[in-house]
Amino acid sequence: DAGVIQSPRHEVTEMGQEVTLRCKPISGHNSLFWYRQTMMRGLELLIYFNNNVPIDDSGMPEDRFSAKMPNASFSTLKIQPSEPRDSAVYFCASSLPVDVGRGYTFGSGTRLTVV
Amino acid sequence: QQPVQSPQAVILREGEDAVINCSSSKALYSVHWYRQKHGEAPVFLMILLKGGEQKGHDKISASFNEKKQQSSLYLTASQLSYSGTYFCGTMNTNAGKSTFGDGTTLTVKP
Repeated sequence: DAGVIQSPRHEVTEMGQEVTLRCKPISGHNSLFWYRQTMMRGLELLIYFNNNVPIDDSGMPEDRFSAKMPNASFSTLKIQPSEPRDSAVYFCASSLPVDVGRGYTFGSGTRLTVV
Repeated sequence: QQPVQSPQAVILREGEDAVINCSSSKALYSVHWYRQKHGEAPVFLMILLKGGEQKGHDKISASFNEKKQQSSLYLTASQLSYSGTYFCGTMNTNAGKSTFGDGTTLTVKP
C-alpha cells in the first residue's frame, strides 16, 4: 500500500487566499483525521471522520476552516480566507477501528506558509 | 484533555536506557505511541488497550496502568536511530479520537 497520500507537500500563499489541502487515506481504513502541528501548540486534532461522516469538528479553529470527505478515498481541508497564524504542518492520518490495534498511519504532511 | 508527557527532553549515550511517561486526568481506553523525526510524519510504534497489558518489539516496550491512567515507554540499549520526538496519544473511548501529548525529545549521542 502507498500509505496515506497528502498533497501538496508545500504551499506558500498570501494572506486572504483560499487554500485546499488534499488527502487520500489507506484503502480499507474507516477513520480519517486532520491534525495541525506547530511548535507552540503541538499536534492538534482539527476534525475526524468515521465512515466518511464527520464525527467531531470541535478542533476546527474558526469558520474559515472546513473539511469534507465525499467518499472513502478522498478528503479535503479548506481554509478561506487564510491568515499568517494558519501557518503550520497539516497532517492527515487514517486508521482501522482502534481495537484492531494498528494505530494511525500519518501522511507526509503539508507545510503551509501564509505570508 | 491533553495527556502530560515527562520528561520534556532527554539526552542519552548509545547503549543507555530511557523511560518516557504519559499520564492522563481521565480514564483511558487506549494509549498509543509514535516517534517523529525532524521534518517527517509521526510513525506508529505500538498501541496498548484497556486491560493493563505490556507490549514490546525489539528493544522498545510499553506498559499501561489503567488504574493510574498512565503509560510508560521503555527504550533499552538505545541506538542512534532512536533519536526523535516521542508522542503518546490517548483515547478515552473506543471511538477512535486521540489527543496527543506535547512530546518528549530524545537525543542519542555516540
